[in-house]
Amino acid sequence: NAGVTQTPKFQVLKTGQSMTLQCAQDMNHEYMSWYRQDPGMGLRLIHYSVGAGITDQGEVPNGYNVSRSTTEDFPLRLLSAAPSQTSVYFCASSYDDTDTQYFGPGTRLTVL
Amino acid sequence: KQEVTQIPAALSVPEGENLVLNCSFTDSAIYNLQWFRQDPGKGLTSLLLIQSSQREQTSGRLNASLDKSSGRSTLYIAASQPGDSATYLCAVRGMAYNTDKLIFGTGTRLQVFP
Repeated sequence: NAGVTQTPKFQVLKTGQSMTLQCAQDMNHEYMSWYRQDPGMGLRLIHYSVGAGITDQGEVPNGYNVSRSTTEDFPLRLLSAAPSQTSVYFCASSYDDTDTQYFGPGTRLTVL
Repeated sequence: KQEVTQIPAALSVPEGENLVLNCSFTDSAIYNLQWFRQDPGKGLTSLLLIQSSQREQTSGRLNASLDKSSGRSTLYIAASQPGDSATYLCAVRGMAYNTDKLIFGTGTRLQVFP
């Protein structure tokens, strides 16, 4: 199994640009989530999904959209990038919301 | 609101020492607590998951304990090695509607020197 994969690994955007961070898992996990990690603030939940077609907001959802059309994929869209969105983004998956979470390698995003 | 605190923020020890990392949380109504390891520039790797009904979990040289009533967990690393150098994060999943997502501490950065 590849586990949780994320692309790209690095990205630089200009303010106002949009982009999609890709996340995929091959473990048939129902539960997937997106976090951002900032120095001194730990990981914070952006959006999560408990199955295909079902998404919900986390702690810091503003400026981000998600969709879950398949069990495997959970892309994160930045609508209009802002410098405050400079961060490292992690995707995670688990069998359910009480099980061990498996994390992808992260995407380091810089917004100029 | 659930808050998770990890002390110390950084720790430097010589190889071979036994050490304890601490994690405290403010709301004791939790489903489980998870310890992760993060290497620089990498993602998180799950080390141990303790369900709310359990008191401890062990994996190799690692032992994690959970005391829900006091809102504390410890991660014990025996006979530390330079390869243990990493940041260790704890995270709790609460039971209430507004705490049922994984809430992370800010981590303890561990350096084990030869």
